[in-house]
Amino acid sequence: DAGVTQSPTHLIKTRGQQVTLRCSPKSGHDTVSWYQQALGQGPQFIFQYYEEEERQRGNFPDRFSGHQFPNYSSELNVNALLLGDSALYLCASSKTPGGHSPLHFGNGTRLTVT
Amino acid sequence: QQQVKQSPQSLIVQKGGISIINCAYENTAFDYFPWYQQFPGKGPALLIAIRPDVSEKKEGRFTISFNKSAKQFSLHIMDSQPGDSATYFCAASGGNYGQNFVFGPGTRLSVLP
Repeated sequence: DAGVTQSPTHLIKTRGQQVTLRCSPKSGHDTVSWYQQALGQGPQFIFQYYEEEERQRGNFPDRFSGHQFPNYSSELNVNALLLGDSALYLCASSKTPGGHSPLHFGNGTRLTVT
Repeated sequence: QQQVKQSPQSLIVQKGGISIINCAYENTAFDYFPWYQQFPGKGPALLIAIRPDVSEKKEGRFTISFNKSAKQFSLHIMDSQPGDSATYFCAASGGNYGQNFVFGPGTRLSVLP
């Protein structure tokens, strides 16, 4: 049973560039959330996708956008990269969008902005 | 604004000892409190979770104690093992936050052999 898979595992970008991160949810899951984890910190919620729509959004600027495809996979796009965007980006999937539905995390994409 | 506080920042325990990590929250709308374990290079993995209608939940060596009136909850790891060495995060969700889980800053646990 494949868990949450993310690609790429590592990425180096230059300030001002754009980046796309990809996520395939755990089998049987239809909801995808994205989190940003800065070094030494807990994950911070970016947004959640369910039924191909953004259902909830955390305190992140519009430079962060996403998409969910009919097969439930998802992309996270970040435009106009800043040095402060350097972090581990985690994708999490769940069976439902509800607040009691446990999150299953992937191993993340480590983004470095130089 | 830090809505979930966690302490200690780091913890060193001898093998066989008890590890205790504490968390406190502010938003009374939170109604689901999971604990996650994260190893280096891996994503967080759900350990155990509790809802505020119970004061304690135990799964194997892991126990959550919950104090609703104090808005505090804690993770106890009994008979700690070197394999438990990881970073532990408490989290909370519910109310207007929906599935926006709010995580604590983490506790780095080291269990000495």
